[in-house]
This record gives sequence, structure tokens and C-alpha cells, in this order.
Amino acid sequence: SQTIHQWPATLVQPVGSPLSLECTVEGTSNPNLYWYRQAAGRGLQLLFYSVGIGQISSEVPQNLSASRPQDRQFILSSKKLLLSDSGFYLCAWGILGGTDTQYFGPGTRLTVL
Amino acid sequence: DAKTTQPNSMESNEEEPVHLPCNHSTISGTDYIHWYRQLPSQGPEYVIHGLTSNVNNRMASLAIAEDRKSSTLILHRATLRDAAVYYCILISGYALNFGKGTSLLVTP
Repeated sequence: SQTIHQWPATLVQPVGSPLSLECTVEGTSNPNLYWYRQAAGRGLQLLFYSVGIGQISSEVPQNLSASRPQDRQFILSSKKLLLSDSGFYLCAWGILGGTDTQYFGPGTRLTVL
Repeated sequence: DAKTTQPNSMESNEEEPVHLPCNHSTISGTDYIHWYRQLPSQGPEYVIHGLTSNVNNRMASLAIAEDRKSSTLILHRATLRDAAVYYCILISGYALNFGKGTSLLVTP
């Protein structure tokens, strides 16, 4: 069966520090991978998606970046965190394109102080 | 993506059916209607999706209006574990743009 992992589960970082969140998927090949962010009291916002290794599409311009160094690994990064980067970050995977079901990881709660 | 409109909150008694409405008057012919739900501090969970015909699975049923401008998620017997935020989403590409959804409260 397929599983999706995210770490860390929680993170507290000072403003201006770098960020690296990792997501890995097991049990499937060539998945579409997604990064979402949920700010407090708001809906999910798609940040990035990837249809293959090295292929990243950005939905919202900001100080975050994403990379896909391996087929089942998706990384979200920032060189300098802002207070507004605080939120719940979710990784998801899917197959067959955007109209197919997406399966979400447990999420990372990021607090920037 | 086309927009959806859902009530902010709904309340149901345990073991009663729940009908969660969603309006999507600007839906295009290629938009799929997806429903997800999210429990507190967890990632969203897929519930059901459809294009034109009504759909049933082990979790719920999806009733789609003939003109596709609205749909209803039906939980046949609500349980306390069904208390969550339910999102109605239209997609025809890669983006799942979640709105605020409907917060469902289930009371014993």
C-alpha cells in the first residue's frame, strides 16, 4: 500500500532562518506531488506541484521554493523565513493527473517567531 | 478554477443523515466535483468525486444536479467521527483550491 511521510511534524523557527521540509512517498512510482499551506482559520492554498523529477510548477509567487531530487521525494525550502510563512504545510500525492484523488500527508506545523 | 459556495457550518444529530450542499454555478464542462474532509490538525482526506452522474462509495454519496451547478454530499448516518470540515472543490487541472468549507458538528 502507498504511504506518505512528512517531517518534521512541528517546527519553530526564528524570522530570517532557512527552512527545509521533506516529503516522501512509498508504494507508488512517478506520482504527482503537491505542497499546500493552510494558514490559521483559512482553507488550503496550493504552493507547488510536480509531475516528475526536476519538474516544479509554482502556483503562488513567494519566498518559498520546491525541489524534487528523486521520484518520490519532494522538498519545500526557504532561504529566509517571514512571519507570514507560519502555517500548516501539507504534502500530497496523486496519479493520473489533477482530476484524480490526492492523498495527503500528516502535515508540518510551522511557527515563525 | 471555478468557485464553490458552501455554508460555514452545519449541525447534525448522531445516526441521522446529513446533506452538505455546494453551489458551483460557474462550473465548466471539464470540472470534476471533489469532496474532501479535514479533521483538526490532520491532512485532508478524500471522500468522493464525480463528473455528471451521482456516485456512491463506502463513505458517502454524491448527488449532482442535472445542470451541474450544485451538488450535495450525503452522509447516510452521521457518527461523531464524521465531525470535520468538508470541502467541495472543482478541478480540471492540477490545482485543488480549497475554500473554507463547511464545519460539521455532530452531536450525540
